[in-house]
Amino acid sequence: QVKLQESGPGLVKPSETLSLTCTVSGGSIGNSYWSWIRQSPGKGLEWIAWIQNSDSTNYNPSLRSRVTISIDASKNQFYLRLTSVTAADTAIYYCAKGGASSIWFDPWGLGTLVTVSS
Amino acid sequence: DIVMTQSPDSLAVSLGERATINCKSSQNILYTPNNNNYLAWYQQKPGQPPKVLIYWASTRGSGVPDRFSGSGSGTDFTLTISNLQAEDVAVYYCQQYYSTRPTFGQGTKVEI
Repeated sequence: QVKLQESGPGLVKPSETLSLTCTVSGGSIGNSYWSWIRQSPGKGLEWIAWIQNSDSTNYNPSLRSRVTISIDASKNQFYLRLTSVTAADTAIYYCAKGGASSIWFDPWGLGTLVTVSS
Repeated sequence: DIVMTQSPDSLAVSLGERATINCKSSQNILYTPNNNNYLAWYQQKPGQPPKVLIYWASTRGSGVPDRFSGSGSGTDFTLTISNLQAEDVAVYYCQQYYSTRPTFGQGTKVEI
């Protein structure tokens, strides 16, 4: 079955750029909605962005100005880039798979904790 | 954006009893052409990612025990856990996907 694995630095300095990779295994990355979701320590879930078919994206309005989601189907990977980070961006970042025509999430990666600190 | 509001924020239920979690959306999430409610429920145990329990408001995910059930339509939804087991201790989230920008409820913590 499809599995997702997040990777990237666990520590980012304030004002710098957070970059994460999600590697998809057990299936093709084509045609589904692929998302990034985060969870601040002890808090709830916040959807960040989705991408479908390399040319269709959508972003959480509260993060839109700082976020870019992209995909490399040849590598079965998709990516998150979040600029100008602050301590408020400290969170566990999850990547997750949506359906081909609906955006509920299954499965999720295990998540990666990103701490913003100098 | 569609705001999802869960109640209660937490509840304690005895083993073998029923837990009921409510989720209210700020606008209708029933798509009448296909009569589907665009709502999912997730379970998140400590240190784990969320796991889908229910989608389309009432369809159980693969391998989900039948003591978990979802109901409701339009703006008001319920997740019911019958015969609560110790392994059901978790935080439960609802999520709408009617909008192209999905949103989650704030979560409900279920304890024994």
